[in-house]
Amino acid sequence: GQQLNQSPQSMFIQEGEDVSMNCTSSSIFNTWLWYKQEPGEGPVLLIALYKAGELTSNGRLTAQFGITRKDSFLNISASIPSDVGIYFCAGLQAGTALIFGKGTTLSVSS
Amino acid sequence: NAGVTQTPKFQVLKTGQSMTLQCAQDMNHNSMYWYRQDPGMGLRLIYYSASEGTTDKGEVPNGYNVSRLNKREFSLRLESAAPSQTSVYFCATGTGVRNEQFFGPGTRLTVL
Repeated sequence: GQQLNQSPQSMFIQEGEDVSMNCTSSSIFNTWLWYKQEPGEGPVLLIALYKAGELTSNGRLTAQFGITRKDSFLNISASIPSDVGIYFCAGLQAGTALIFGKGTTLSVSS
Repeated sequence: NAGVTQTPKFQVLKTGQSMTLQCAQDMNHNSMYWYRQDPGMGLRLIYYSASEGTTDKGEVPNGYNVSRLNKREFSLRLESAAPSQTSVYFCATGTGVRNEQFFGPGTRLTVL
């Protein structure tokens, strides 16, 4: 089936640093979604992207829908301890269910 | 508004036992989904229901059955549990328009 390659798999950063992660595929997607999952909880939707080239922010988080429609990027600026969690990308093609990446685990030390 | 609720939160079964995981939503969404999450595997779709009265298989449907009882409720049944079904199960709902999905808190299932 379709696959999304999410990288990096994990990140260990210092509080205050900026973070970048991405999701790539060999297929074109119509929608990109970014979720965050904290321990013991379900994923929570952070940002949704619907058009190639779209750049959307949610507080310190910024995500972009790649021009080729085959990738998406998430940046977190000035990280804080509560940013800890697993970040998932998800892509949607017409007529199919969402496909999820395997996640990026973010650890922040203060 | 509770959003998406799941019961139970935790369950331990013996191999061969059966059980039903319950999901209910008060978001008035048409679509509902069941996923399983395993370490290093991300979220994998088991079954989904695009609307009341319809259900379809996802990526990993074997060993599971579902029932879309009404617009609010979507249940997942394990008829004969196996250790390979040890996982965290998430229910989600979606608007069906742009397919943003909203997740419940999960059920942590262990099959011994």
